[in-house]
Amino acid sequence: KQEVTQIPAALSVPEGENLVLNCSFTDSAIYNLQWFRQDPGKGLTSLLLIQSSQREQTSGRLNASLDKSSGRSTLYIAASQPGDSATYLCAVKGSNDYKLSFGAGTTVTVRA
Amino acid sequence: DAGVIQSPRHEVTEMGQEVTLRCKLISGHNSLFWYRQTMMRGLELLIYFNNNVPIDDSGMPEDRFSAKMPNASFSTLKIQPSEPRDSAVYFCASSLWGNEQYFGPGTRLTVT
Repeated sequence: KQEVTQIPAALSVPEGENLVLNCSFTDSAIYNLQWFRQDPGKGLTSLLLIQSSQREQTSGRLNASLDKSSGRSTLYIAASQPGDSATYLCAVKGSNDYKLSFGAGTTVTVRA
Repeated sequence: DAGVIQSPRHEVTEMGQEVTLRCKLISGHNSLFWYRQTMMRGLELLIYFNNNVPIDDSGMPEDRFSAKMPNASFSTLKIQPSEPRDSAVYFCASSLWGNEQYFGPGTRLTVT
Protein backbone atom coordinates (compact mmCIF):
# COMPACT_ATOMS: atom_id res chain seq x y z
CA LYS A 1 0.00 0.00 0.00
CA GLN A 2 1.33 3.43 -0.99
CA GLU A 3 2.19 5.66 1.98
CA VAL A 4 2.68 9.38 1.37
CA THR A 5 4.37 11.57 3.97
CA GLN A 6 4.68 15.33 4.04
CA ILE A 7 7.15 17.01 6.34
CA PRO A 8 6.89 19.47 7.99
CA ALA A 9 3.22 19.48 8.98
CA ALA A 10 3.33 23.26 9.36
CA LEU A 11 5.65 26.02 8.24
CA SER A 12 5.75 29.75 8.97
CA VAL A 13 7.98 32.10 6.98
CA PRO A 14 8.32 35.86 6.46
CA GLU A 15 7.12 37.30 3.18
CA GLY A 16 9.69 37.08 0.42
CA GLU A 17 11.35 33.91 1.63
CA ASN A 18 11.40 30.87 -0.66
CA LEU A 19 9.27 27.92 0.43
CA VAL A 20 10.38 24.30 0.21
CA LEU A 21 7.75 21.64 0.79
CA ASN A 22 8.66 17.96 0.89
CA CYS A 23 6.71 14.87 -0.08
CA SER A 24 7.91 11.28 0.13
CA PHE A 25 6.24 8.06 -1.01
CA THR A 26 7.03 4.42 -0.34
CA ASP A 27 6.24 2.76 -3.69
CA SER A 28 8.22 4.16 -6.61
CA ALA A 29 5.93 2.52 -9.20
CA ILE A 30 3.92 5.66 -9.78
CA TYR A 31 2.05 7.01 -12.80
CA ASN A 32 2.06 10.65 -11.75
CA LEU A 33 2.27 12.96 -8.76
CA GLN A 34 -0.04 15.92 -8.22
CA TRP A 35 0.39 18.94 -5.93
CA PHE A 36 -2.75 20.62 -4.61
CA ARG A 37 -3.49 23.74 -2.64
CA GLN A 38 -6.38 23.92 -0.17
CA ASP A 39 -7.56 27.14 1.42
CA PRO A 40 -9.55 26.92 4.69
CA GLY A 41 -13.11 25.80 4.03
CA LYS A 42 -12.46 25.36 0.32
CA GLY A 43 -11.84 22.58 -2.15
CA LEU A 44 -8.53 21.38 -3.56
CA THR A 45 -6.96 23.31 -6.42
CA SER A 46 -4.56 21.43 -8.65
CA LEU A 47 -1.24 23.28 -8.87
CA LEU A 48 1.08 20.98 -10.79
CA LEU A 49 1.02 17.47 -12.17
CA ILE A 50 4.26 15.62 -12.86
CA GLN A 51 4.21 12.49 -14.97
CA SER A 52 6.47 9.64 -13.85
CA SER A 53 8.73 10.22 -16.84
CA GLN A 54 9.30 13.88 -15.93
CA ARG A 55 11.82 15.36 -13.51
CA GLU A 56 10.09 18.67 -12.88
CA GLN A 57 7.22 20.97 -13.75
CA THR A 58 7.05 24.75 -13.47
CA SER A 59 4.20 27.22 -13.29
CA GLY A 60 5.00 30.82 -12.49
CA ARG A 61 6.65 30.97 -9.06
CA LEU A 62 6.00 27.26 -8.49
CA ASN A 63 8.42 24.50 -9.36
CA ALA A 64 7.94 20.85 -8.49
CA SER A 65 10.62 18.21 -8.82
CA LEU A 66 10.27 14.44 -8.85
CA ASP A 67 12.85 11.81 -7.99
CA LYS A 68 10.95 8.60 -8.51
CA SER A 69 13.76 6.24 -7.57
CA SER A 70 14.17 7.81 -4.13
CA GLY A 71 10.43 8.35 -3.68
CA ARG A 72 10.59 12.11 -3.25
CA SER A 73 9.02 15.24 -4.63
CA THR A 74 9.67 18.83 -3.64
CA LEU A 75 7.50 21.86 -4.25
CA TYR A 76 9.37 25.17 -4.38
CA ILE A 77 7.51 28.45 -4.12
CA ALA A 78 9.71 31.44 -4.90
CA ALA A 79 9.40 34.81 -3.19
CA SER A 80 6.48 33.82 -0.97
CA GLN A 81 3.54 36.16 -0.45
CA PRO A 82 0.84 36.24 2.25
CA GLY A 83 -1.60 34.97 -0.39
CA ASP A 84 0.42 31.74 -0.54
CA SER A 85 -0.80 30.86 2.95
CA ALA A 86 -2.73 27.59 2.60
CA THR A 87 -2.39 23.85 3.06
CA TYR A 88 -0.43 22.09 0.32
CA LEU A 89 -1.08 18.41 -0.36
CA CYS A 90 0.76 16.01 -2.58
CA ALA A 91 -0.95 12.98 -4.05
CA VAL A 92 0.49 10.01 -5.89
CA LYS A 93 -1.24 7.86 -8.52
CA GLY A 94 0.08 4.33 -8.84
CA SER A 95 1.13 2.95 -12.19
CA ASN A 96 -1.49 0.21 -11.97
CA ASP A 97 -4.06 2.17 -10.07
CA TYR A 98 -6.59 4.90 -10.50
CA LYS A 99 -6.52 6.01 -6.88
CA LEU A 100 -4.68 9.00 -5.53
CA SER A 101 -2.82 8.42 -2.27
CA PHE A 102 -2.71 11.71 -0.37
CA GLY A 103 -0.26 13.06 2.13
CA ALA A 104 -1.60 14.80 5.23
CA GLY A 105 -0.47 18.18 3.91
CA THR A 106 1.81 21.02 4.96
CA THR A 107 0.08 24.12 6.32
CA VAL A 108 1.98 27.22 5.26
CA THR A 109 1.71 30.67 6.84
CA VAL A 110 3.48 33.56 5.14
CA ARG A 111 3.83 36.51 7.52
CA ALA A 112 3.56 40.01 6.07
CA ASP B 1 -16.04 25.53 -18.16
CA ALA B 2 -17.51 26.08 -14.69
CA GLY B 3 -15.48 23.27 -13.16
CA VAL B 4 -16.91 20.60 -10.91
CA ILE B 5 -20.17 21.72 -9.33
CA GLN B 6 -21.40 20.41 -6.01
CA SER B 7 -24.64 21.06 -4.16
CA PRO B 8 -25.56 21.89 -1.56
CA ARG B 9 -22.48 23.68 -0.22
CA HIS B 10 -23.64 23.26 3.35
CA GLU B 11 -26.08 20.78 4.85
CA VAL B 12 -27.22 20.55 8.44
CA THR B 13 -29.52 17.70 9.30
CA GLU B 14 -30.67 15.65 12.25
CA MET B 15 -29.55 12.15 12.95
CA GLY B 16 -31.66 9.60 11.11
CA GLN B 17 -32.50 11.85 8.18
CA GLU B 18 -31.63 11.07 4.59
CA VAL B 19 -28.96 13.24 2.98
CA THR B 20 -28.31 13.53 -0.76
CA LEU B 21 -25.22 15.22 -2.11
CA ARG B 22 -24.93 16.11 -5.77
CA CYS B 23 -22.06 16.51 -8.20
CA LYS B 24 -21.78 17.62 -11.81
CA LEU B 25 -18.62 16.62 -13.67
CA ILE B 26 -16.55 18.78 -15.97
CA SER B 27 -17.84 18.38 -19.51
CA GLY B 28 -15.97 15.65 -21.37
CA HIS B 29 -14.60 13.95 -18.27
CA ASN B 30 -15.46 10.30 -17.72
CA SER B 31 -14.12 9.52 -14.23
CA LEU B 32 -15.73 10.52 -10.97
CA PHE B 33 -14.39 10.21 -7.45
CA TRP B 34 -16.23 10.84 -4.15
CA TYR B 35 -14.02 11.72 -1.17
CA ARG B 36 -14.64 12.53 2.48
CA GLN B 37 -12.35 14.80 4.49
CA THR B 38 -12.14 15.01 8.26
CA MET B 39 -9.49 16.35 10.60
CA MET B 40 -8.91 12.91 12.08
CA ARG B 41 -8.69 10.85 8.89
CA GLY B 42 -7.75 13.35 6.20
CA LEU B 43 -8.98 12.65 2.68
CA GLU B 44 -10.58 9.25 2.12
CA LEU B 45 -11.72 7.89 -1.23
CA LEU B 46 -15.26 6.57 -0.93
CA ILE B 47 -16.07 5.41 -4.46
CA TYR B 48 -14.77 5.69 -8.02
CA PHE B 49 -16.81 5.59 -11.24
CA ASN B 50 -15.48 5.25 -14.76
CA ASN B 51 -17.86 5.75 -17.69
CA ASN B 52 -20.82 5.71 -15.28
CA VAL B 53 -19.83 2.31 -13.85
CA PRO B 54 -18.76 1.96 -10.19
CA ILE B 55 -15.28 0.48 -10.29
CA ASP B 56 -14.34 0.51 -6.62
CA ASP B 57 -16.69 1.15 -3.71
CA SER B 58 -14.47 -0.38 -1.05
CA GLY B 59 -14.15 2.99 0.67
CA MET B 60 -17.86 3.33 1.29
CA PRO B 61 -18.02 3.03 5.06
CA GLU B 62 -21.33 1.23 5.48
CA ASP B 63 -24.49 0.18 3.70
CA ARG B 64 -25.98 3.47 4.78
CA PHE B 65 -23.91 5.06 2.01
CA SER B 66 -24.83 4.67 -1.64
CA ALA B 67 -23.73 6.44 -4.81
CA LYS B 68 -25.17 6.55 -8.30
CA MET B 69 -24.24 7.99 -11.64
CA PRO B 70 -27.47 8.11 -13.65
CA ASN B 71 -25.75 9.78 -16.61
CA ALA B 72 -22.31 10.73 -17.82
CA SER B 73 -22.22 14.11 -16.14
CA PHE B 74 -24.04 13.75 -12.81
CA SER B 75 -23.68 11.77 -9.60
CA THR B 76 -25.35 11.55 -6.22
CA LEU B 77 -24.08 10.32 -2.88
CA LYS B 78 -26.80 9.35 -0.43
CA ILE B 79 -26.59 8.66 3.29
CA GLN B 80 -29.61 7.01 4.84
CA PRO B 81 -29.96 7.16 7.79
CA SER B 82 -27.37 9.80 8.65
CA GLU B 83 -25.38 9.71 11.90
CA PRO B 84 -23.30 12.39 13.70
CA ARG B 85 -20.07 10.57 12.77
CA ASP B 86 -20.89 11.21 9.11
CA SER B 87 -20.18 14.91 9.68
CA ALA B 88 -17.37 15.86 7.28
CA VAL B 89 -16.66 17.71 4.06
CA TYR B 90 -17.58 15.61 1.03
CA PHE B 91 -15.77 16.31 -2.22
CA CYS B 92 -16.26 14.99 -5.67
CA ALA B 93 -13.54 15.14 -8.29
CA SER B 94 -13.64 14.50 -12.01
CA SER B 95 -10.95 13.52 -14.46
CA LEU B 96 -10.40 12.12 -17.91
CA TRP B 97 -9.56 8.42 -17.69
CA GLY B 98 -8.52 8.78 -14.05
CA ASN B 99 -5.68 11.20 -14.74
CA GLU B 100 -5.38 14.74 -13.34
CA GLN B 101 -8.21 15.19 -10.88
CA TYR B 102 -10.21 18.40 -10.52
CA PHE B 103 -12.04 18.86 -7.26
CA GLY B 104 -15.34 20.54 -6.56
CA PRO B 105 -15.79 23.06 -3.73
CA GLY B 106 -17.19 20.40 -1.39
CA THR B 107 -20.31 19.96 0.72
CA ARG B 108 -19.91 20.55 4.45
CA LEU B 109 -22.24 18.10 6.18
CA THR B 110 -23.19 18.47 9.83
CA VAL B 111 -25.37 15.79 11.41
CA THR B 112 -26.71 16.71 14.85
